[in-house]
Amino acid sequence: GQNIDQPTEMTATEGAIVQINCTYQTSGFNGLFWYQQHAGEAPTFLSYNVLDGLEEKGRFSSFLSRSKGYSYLLLKELQMKDSASYLCAVRPASGAGSYQLTFGKGTKLSVIP
Amino acid sequence: DADVTQTPRNRITKTGKRIMLECSQTKGHDRMYWYRQDPGLGLRLIYYSFDVKDINKGEISDGYSVSRQAQAKFSLSLESAIPNQTALYFCATSLTDYNEQFFGPGTRLTVL
Repeated sequence: GQNIDQPTEMTATEGAIVQINCTYQTSGFNGLFWYQQHAGEAPTFLSYNVLDGLEEKGRFSSFLSRSKGYSYLLLKELQMKDSASYLCAVRPASGAGSYQLTFGKGTKLSVIP
Repeated sequence: DADVTQTPRNRITKTGKRIMLECSQTKGHDRMYWYRQDPGLGLRLIYYSFDVKDINKGEISDGYSVSRQAQAKFSLSLESAIPNQTALYFCATSLTDYNEQFFGPGTRLTVL
């Protein structure tokens, strides 16, 4: 089975740093995606990790530990426009079913002045 | 112009009606997907298409059917809509299984 856990909501202050965690238990693993979704809008791609370690992309970074079934998204220098839901999605092992991303329920981040 | 478009953007219908949601893309991707999103449940895959001749059921395909009319078009049908199909529906595309998915703007469907 597939299970992905993320905190439901988080609040952080403009200009600060926030870390959004994602833990997963899946039947195999072949990569983890992070998406951003503003209210009422489509999800947009942020990052993809398939190997352990940190991937940095501007103000956003994503970390993966496959042995721990754990990832986090790090947002630096928070801006009001970062208020959104952040979705963690896991791709199971390659082969049949590898196209079926399993999405977490998302973490709603509120950035306050 | 948007790469992935969906029509209609909003639809209110009654129980028992047949509904079709349409998705078009200009990205030239072979992979296309239909998801539904419900508050507190996240995105769940309904159907997936590798190409025009290859369609696969996702996690929650019961009550839905799809048609891949061309590489660029993938339609989702609700043969007899029921209230628990009220949700936000997203179409998505990807170049391969290992690339990110690009989502359309969504269709908000309400079944009364």
